[in-house]
Amino acid sequence: GQQLNQSPQSMFIQEGEDVSMNCTSSSIFNTWLWYKQDPGEGPVLLIALYKAGELTSNGRLTAQFGITRKDSFLNISASIPSDVGIYFCAGPSGNTPLVFGKGTRLSVIA
Amino acid sequence: NAGVTQTPKFQVLKTGQSMTLQCAQDMNHEYMSWYRQDPGMGLRLIHYSVGAGITDQGEVPNGYNVSRSTTEDFPLRLLSAAPSQTSVYFCASSYLAGGYEQYFGPGTRLTVT
Repeated sequence: GQQLNQSPQSMFIQEGEDVSMNCTSSSIFNTWLWYKQDPGEGPVLLIALYKAGELTSNGRLTAQFGITRKDSFLNISASIPSDVGIYFCAGPSGNTPLVFGKGTRLSVIA
Repeated sequence: NAGVTQTPKFQVLKTGQSMTLQCAQDMNHEYMSWYRQDPGMGLRLIHYSVGAGITDQGEVPNGYNVSRSTTEDFPLRLLSAAPSQTSVYFCASSYLAGGYEQYFGPGTRLTVT
C-alpha cells in the first residue's frame, strides 16, 4: 500500500520556538489529516485538510495541503511543554480507509 | 458521551492463548477500525467495518478475527497469540463510512510471552 513519509523523525526544541514538520507521498492524496498522540493515549485529530492549497489553523497549529497533493505541512508556533508527543499525518489510500505516517516525535525543553 | 472505550488496558498472554479485546463507542458511528502500533512503525490497520454485519481486512489482518453484530461494538479476537502480536492496540470510529476523521480509544497494551 501507499506509504507516507514524515520528517523529521524526532526533534528537540526549546520552549517558545516554532516547529515545522512535513509529510510526503509518492501518490496523490485527496485528504490530509494531522493527529497528535500524547504519551500513553490514543491519537487525537488536530486538523483535517480537504483541498489542495488549503491552509487551516487550530490555535497555535497551522497545516497546509500541498499544491501538488503529494505533501502536507504542520507548523506549531511558540511551542509549550504540552506540545510534547508524536505527530502523525494520515490520509485515505486506495482500499485502505486511512494510512498513517510513522510519526514525528516532538520533545520540548523548558 | 464516553466516546470510544477499550478493555482491558493491559494484558499479558502466553503463546498460544486466545483472547478478545473489547471496543465500544456511543457516538452512533458507522465506521470502526482496529490498529496496532509498534515502535517506529506508526499505526497499521488490522481490520475495519463500515457498518453492522460488514467487516474487511486491513494491512495486517493475519492472526486476528473481528465481527460487528451491533453498531456500538467491534471486538478483536486473537486466535492463538504469538510474541509478534505484542503491541499496543487502538480501536477507532468515525461518523462517515469513509472513516477519515477517526476518534481513537485509549489503547490496550498487550504482551505475549
